[in-house]
Amino acid sequence: DAGVTQSPTHLIKTRGQQVTLRCSPKSGHDTVSWYQQALGQGPQFIFQYYEEEERQRGNFPDRFSGHQFPNYSSELNVNALLLGDSALYLCAYQIGSSDTQYFGPGTRLTVL
Amino acid sequence: AQSVTQLDSQVPVFEEAPVELRCNYSSSVSVYLFWYVQYPNQGLQLLLKYLSGSTLVKGINGFEAEFNKSQTSFHLRKPSVHISDTAEYFCAVIPSGGYNKLIFGAGTRLAVHP
Repeated sequence: DAGVTQSPTHLIKTRGQQVTLRCSPKSGHDTVSWYQQALGQGPQFIFQYYEEEERQRGNFPDRFSGHQFPNYSSELNVNALLLGDSALYLCAYQIGSSDTQYFGPGTRLTVL
Repeated sequence: AQSVTQLDSQVPVFEEAPVELRCNYSSSVSVYLFWYVQYPNQGLQLLLKYLSGSTLVKGINGFEAEFNKSQTSFHLRKPSVHISDTAEYFCAVIPSGGYNKLIFGAGTRLAVHP
């Protein structure tokens, strides 16, 4: 059984650009959360999707948006990139509202 | 709002020595508690979790943690560490009714030396 996968592994963008990050689930896992992990810090919750709807959102601006597809895969979109958006972006899957989340390896975004 | 404090940003220790990584949380409601490990250039792996019941929780790789409600703590311990335990360790909570939104501490870097 494949685990959670994310693409791309690394990404370099310039300020003002837009970026799309992708995440695919473990088999049978239908709820996805996205986290931002700045260098030297713990992950911070961005939002969670269930049944293709945003169920919960953290303290992130509207420049951060997401999507969940019928096959439960997900995208994170960030518009008008800022230098401060440089971070490791992690997605995590769970089954419904279960307590255990399984994380992907992350996408390292660098904004120049 | 809930918060998690990891009291040590770095913990150096020699191989085969015991280690304790400290975690305190603030919450007026019940929470679920977790420890995750992050190896270099990798995502997060669940070490152990406390949901209810016995306050001593055993996890993978020989780690265990003890939930102390009166002190709002959830310290992680291992009696004998290996070089391969070198990693970043994160304590996290899920507040009740939070759709399992994880709130993380800032992390503790465990460095095991030969």
